[in-house]
Amino acid sequence: EIVLTQSPGTLSLSPGERATLSCRASQSVSSSSLAWYQQNPGQAPRVLVYGASSRATGIPDRFSGSGSGTEFTLTISRLEPEDFAVYYCQQYGSSPITFGQGTKLEIK
Amino acid sequence: QVQLVESGGGVVQPGRSLRLSCAASGFIFSTYALYWVRQAPGKGLEWVALISYDGNNKYYADSVRGRFTISRDNSKNTLYLQMNSLRDEDTAMYYCARTQSGGYWSPFDYWGQGTVVTVSS
Repeated sequence: EIVLTQSPGTLSLSPGERATLSCRASQSVSSSSLAWYQQNPGQAPRVLVYGASSRATGIPDRFSGSGSGTEFTLTISRLEPEDFAVYYCQQYGSSPITFGQGTKLEIK
Repeated sequence: QVQLVESGGGVVQPGRSLRLSCAASGFIFSTYALYWVRQAPGKGLEWVALISYDGNNKYYADSVRGRFTISRDNSKNTLYLQMNSLRDEDTAMYYCARTQSGGYWSPFDYWGQGTVVTVSS
């Protein structure tokens, strides 16, 4: 199975700053089948980006995804207070689907 | 609008059984593959089981294979997870999730709110 490793584990930033989250795969993710999810405390995850770089419906354009192969990045251009949450990457191109362990984005 | 509503969670002793349900609405249920995904307290997300749109194909994570059974009733727009021989490590929030494209290998565009399963003596 493809193992996804996210870094950093915790990212401390201030509102207005730029956030860069990384997701590294143990082998190439086919067809850039990589998604990013945001999870707030007590809530279900919601998809932000799929296909490595396509924003999901209703997601603000300050969220952007990039990458291919084994290296993927989620960038939040200017952090808003509601962006402080846990972020997961997921590959869905190979069986079984797998998730990264998460990056917690916290207010500095 | 699309809604997924889980139920059936609770506190159960190790070795006992529990059945989770996920009631769906707002989309053509019978055309979508569906997943169960769980999240242990303070931990990340783990895929548990997958079922095809027609219920004919089912797949399981190694951690639950032989103990859990996924099923669906397309006439009732409901997904199920029968959990037998429960272990402490099955304690988690259990989510049902819909795939964006309806196929197996697609991101999850809708999730339920989850139901909590606690396995404890």
